[in-house]
Amino acid sequence: QKEVEQDPGPLSVPEGAIVSLNCTYSNSAFQYFMWYRQYSRKGPELLMYTYSSGNKEDGRFTAQVDKSSKYISLFIRDSQPSDSATYLCAFGSGGGADGLTFGKGTHLIIQP
Amino acid sequence: GAVVSQHPSRVICKSGTSVKIECRSLDFQATTMFWYRQFPKQSLMLMATSNEGSKATYEQGVEKDKFLINHASLTLSTLTVTSAHPEDSSFYICSARDIARGYGYTFGSGTRLTVV
Repeated sequence: QKEVEQDPGPLSVPEGAIVSLNCTYSNSAFQYFMWYRQYSRKGPELLMYTYSSGNKEDGRFTAQVDKSSKYISLFIRDSQPSDSATYLCAFGSGGGADGLTFGKGTHLIIQP
Repeated sequence: GAVVSQHPSRVICKSGTSVKIECRSLDFQATTMFWYRQFPKQSLMLMATSNEGSKATYEQGVEKDKFLINHASLTLSTLTVTSAHPEDSSFYICSARDIARGYGYTFGSGTRLTVV
């Protein structure tokens, strides 16, 4: 079993739809949970991070973590064509001295 | 927010030559920086952890003599790909964390290396 599982897509939805992106993980040492957005040939941009189970909202984005199921989600409301990108889940353990473990990324396409 | 600057954004070099990539934290100090590699349609894979004033820590399978890392100051880390070969062609990305701003790591814009 891989440490992180993420469906690579592509996931294509119409503009205005609610998007749900998910990752599962197996490493119980992961304490920090992040979502990054990456446009083609660019570095990843941090969207959300959290360290506890439950929901965290920021504008159109909601991050959800279920530690008992080892499952995290990112919801995007009122999706826009500019949201078209690759979304990467990322996990950290320890106090920030360690690098992150990434999922493969989901390629999201928002159709105008 | 925290800004990480990475240069160059693209480089093409001949096989057998060396290439240096710079990573700078512009508005914060970073005692630790991270170097990742990303192949097409693949995830970011951590290569090494760069520690200011000490030796880098390399992930399993990464050749430390091939990927030289220097972290000489709190705002600059460099990655030198020595004796580059076509299989080293990839997207290299650095990252750092501004502890004062929370846990999220900030990434540079990446360097696309093509070895011909």
